[in-house]
Amino acid sequence: DVKVTQSSRYLVKRTGEKVFLECVQDMDHENMFWYRQDPGLGLRLIYFSYDVKMKEKGDIPEGYSVSREKKERFSLILESASTNQTSMYLCASRAGTGGYEQYFGPGTRLTVT
Amino acid sequence: LAKTTQPISMDSYEGQEVNITCSHNNIATNDYITWYQQFPSQGPRFIIQGYKTKVTNEVASLFIPADRKSSTLSLPRVSLSDTAVYYCLVGDYHSGYSTLTFGKGTMLLVSP
Repeated sequence: DVKVTQSSRYLVKRTGEKVFLECVQDMDHENMFWYRQDPGLGLRLIYFSYDVKMKEKGDIPEGYSVSREKKERFSLILESASTNQTSMYLCASRAGTGGYEQYFGPGTRLTVT
Repeated sequence: LAKTTQPISMDSYEGQEVNITCSHNNIATNDYITWYQQFPSQGPRFIIQGYKTKVTNEVASLFIPADRKSSTLSLPRVSLSDTAVYYCLVGDYHSGYSTLTFGKGTMLLVSP
């Protein structure tokens, strides 16, 4: 079974803090993704990566950055957390060419106070 | 990416068949139709994907008419545990460089 794990299920941070959300997948997938999910807005793509050290902006990259130093790990960074970044963050991975099934992690519910 | 339109919510009772229709009028030749299911406090889970006609697996069936401008996800004999949000996505997902665009989905509520 594909497994995508996220470092925390719940996280509470203060405004202005630097926040790291970690995601690890164990299926040697090339593609990895970070989404946020908010009530009434659905899932929105923040950043994605096709390969190690590669990154592409999604639909809402402002206020976020990412890092992919190893194939299995994709980190989402909030340089200076703000209250409007309170959300559910979901990581996903997918195989490269020919892979259409995307596997999601359990999510991290981040609260910024 | 083709835009999709699906009902915001649907209600059903246990044991009934549920059909959720998705419209995608500007679907492209290389696009596939994919459905995901999401339970509360969990990430979405792939259910089924198809290109044309009918696809069936152990969870659901997907019906796609010849013009491919819509598709219908069919869940046979639903149970309470099928209560979830169902997302219809359209895109060329066999390309390694494609991304999934999730809409707001259809909230299915199954009652006893």
